[in-house]
Amino acid sequence: AQKVTQAQTEISVVEKEDVTLDCVYETRDTTYYLFWYKQPPSGELVFLIRRNSFDEQNEISGRYSWNFQKSTSSFNFTITASQVVDSAVYFCALKQGSNYKLTFGKGTLLTVNP
Amino acid sequence: EAGVTQFPSHSVIEKGQTVTLRCDPISGHDNLYWYRRVMGKEIKFLLHFVKESKQDESGMPNNRFLAERTGGTYSTLKVQPAELEDSGVYFCASSIRDTQYFGPGTRLTVL
Repeated sequence: AQKVTQAQTEISVVEKEDVTLDCVYETRDTTYYLFWYKQPPSGELVFLIRRNSFDEQNEISGRYSWNFQKSTSSFNFTITASQVVDSAVYFCALKQGSNYKLTFGKGTLLTVNP
Repeated sequence: EAGVTQFPSHSVIEKGQTVTLRCDPISGHDNLYWYRRVMGKEIKFLLHFVKESKQDESGMPNNRFLAERTGGTYSTLKVQPAELEDSGVYFCASSIRDTQYFGPGTRLTVL
């Protein structure tokens, strides 16, 4: 069985602060994929990043960065210098290599206050 | 390129009625998925189509739910008869391979 845990239900920060969203996963597969999605108030799920289990390199995209650590089964997401537009629910998800279904965490509601 | 679209965006029906949700995937995406998020819970997988064939429907809650994808293009998800516990947001996604792109969802409220 696979599972994704996002322990932080809600986080509130002030603009320009850095914030890290935690994601811990469980799977017995050696081949798997991890994802982050953003759900702004408009409701759609916006794809942010995909990582496969064989690539532990951290990734940076502008103000966003991701830290994948297999040793702790974590795939954390950091937003540097947060902005009000970053306010959204962020979901971490896991996909086994052998099938297509995504297993989601419960999501973290991030509120960035001006 | 147009993203995944879903119709309607909201639906409010009474218990016992029928509702049909529609999803148009990104053009050229053979894989189409339905997911559901019930209030306060995780987004849960319902089923997966490859073209017009159901590849995995292990997440369908019961036989009141019927999904179709005639011709391998758009898909419909029918709930008949709807029950109170069916309320939630129904997401559709499509993919070529591993990355699934989601639509805006349909918020279903059963009264």
